Amino acid sequence: ELKVEQNPLFLSMQEGKNYTIYCNYSTTSDRLYWYRQDPGKSLESLFVLLSNGAVKQEGRLMASLDTKARLSTLHITAAVHDLSATYFCAVGDAGNMLTFGGGTRLMVKP
Amino acid sequence: DAGVTQSPTHLIKTRGQQVTLRCSPKSGHDTVSWYQQALGQGPQFIFQYYEEEERQRGNFPDRFSGHQFPNYSSELNVNALLLGDSALYLCASSLTEGGRYTQYFGPGTRLTVL
Repeated sequence: ELKVEQNPLFLSMQEGKNYTIYCNYSTTSDRLYWYRQDPGKSLESLFVLLSNGAVKQEGRLMASLDTKARLSTLHITAAVHDLSATYFCAVGDAGNMLTFGGGTRLMVKP
Repeated sequence: DAGVTQSPTHLIKTRGQQVTLRCSPKSGHDTVSWYQQALGQGPQFIFQYYEEEERQRGNFPDRFSGHQFPNYSSELNVNALLLGDSALYLCASSLTEGGRYTQYFGPGTRLTVL
């Protein structure tokens, strides 16, 4: 059974600081997703990583994938308050069924 | 271009009742997946429909059933509701042939079972 673990579960950081969220998964997959969820809202797609070594960047967020280590990271650069949300990673199988991690709740303080 | 839509937005039911949730996929998408998200947790896969058939199913009991119509829209039915069925139900659409990787999520239906 595929397991997806994120850490930390909760992250409080100051504006302007950098931090990394980690996503480990237990079985081989070449499809890793990152989503953002604001309170009471749905999931917004951030990144889709499809191959080993893939790196994608959008604004202050950068995601990477190491399929050999079964690890993906979401790096936050110079955090701003607007990035406060819950971030989920998810692993996709061949049929595109997603298995989600438990989420990382990010709070950026001024 | 309309995104994924879901109805209703909120729903309150009592234990033992039955509920039907509806989803219209993003224009051009042919695959619909349903997820259950309990408060404070990540979404859990319920099932996926493609070509009007259930293609994959997660670890959910038979009380959860679904349907996909020729226009690709989908319904999720839950019978004999339990308190533990209270959750946000999310529908996601994708395209099976080419560009299949990204799943777009709808706004969700918040189900409360009393």
